[in-house]
Amino acid sequence: ETGVTQSPTHLIKTRGQQVTLRCSSQSGHNTVSWYQQALGQGPQFIFQYYREEENGRGNFPPRFSGLQFPNYSSELNVNALELDDSALYLCASSLRLAEASGLFFGEGSRLTVL
Amino acid sequence: QKEVEQNSGPLSVPEGAIASLNCTYSDRGSQSFFWYRQYSGKSPELIMSIYSNGDKEDGRFTAQLNKASQYVSLLIRDSQPSDSATYLCAVNARGNTPLVFGKGTRLSVIA
Repeated sequence: ETGVTQSPTHLIKTRGQQVTLRCSSQSGHNTVSWYQQALGQGPQFIFQYYREEENGRGNFPPRFSGLQFPNYSSELNVNALELDDSALYLCASSLRLAEASGLFFGEGSRLTVL
Repeated sequence: QKEVEQNSGPLSVPEGAIASLNCTYSDRGSQSFFWYRQYSGKSPELIMSIYSNGDKEDGRFTAQLNKASQYVSLLIRDSQPSDSATYLCAVNARGNTPLVFGKGTRLSVIA
């Protein structure tokens, strides 16, 4: 139990649609990181939010965007869905610089794009 | 491009044996190293972290780090069928940089 909750756990969308995934941080954590894990691959860093500002971004196109709210919960939005966006989306909350201590993920949101 | 390499497996070991999982990384400046266990359909779970050269033991798990060879390994002693999972190696270059993951090694422990 990491204290990080994600919703929805599973969802199915069609190509071209938009999706919003949500993450509730563990109490006291001010940083949220999002990762994408395609089938058979390791998680890939999408971006990180610290105190409501984007604080680093991986190699993902602008149609991947996010928000962090004053209570440090977060959203990941993906526009114009493509088939390759089908993946497990993972959220981890932490204190800043905690990557050095490892990240603890929520249960993930599994997105299927048809 | 920072890379973390793992043999995808599957690695099959009999119950009670030692499972040895290996990982190499490209960024010589990496400072923190992690092993995650991922059961099918679940999210990755952090099981070991190591920061300095040598061995670190936690129960049946031992992580080994050799920074000169840019090599990290995980040993699982007395392997159990419940250890069957994919094991992901992750590396952090420095404090506020994202974790870089390998593709994982699938371990199968045969009863």
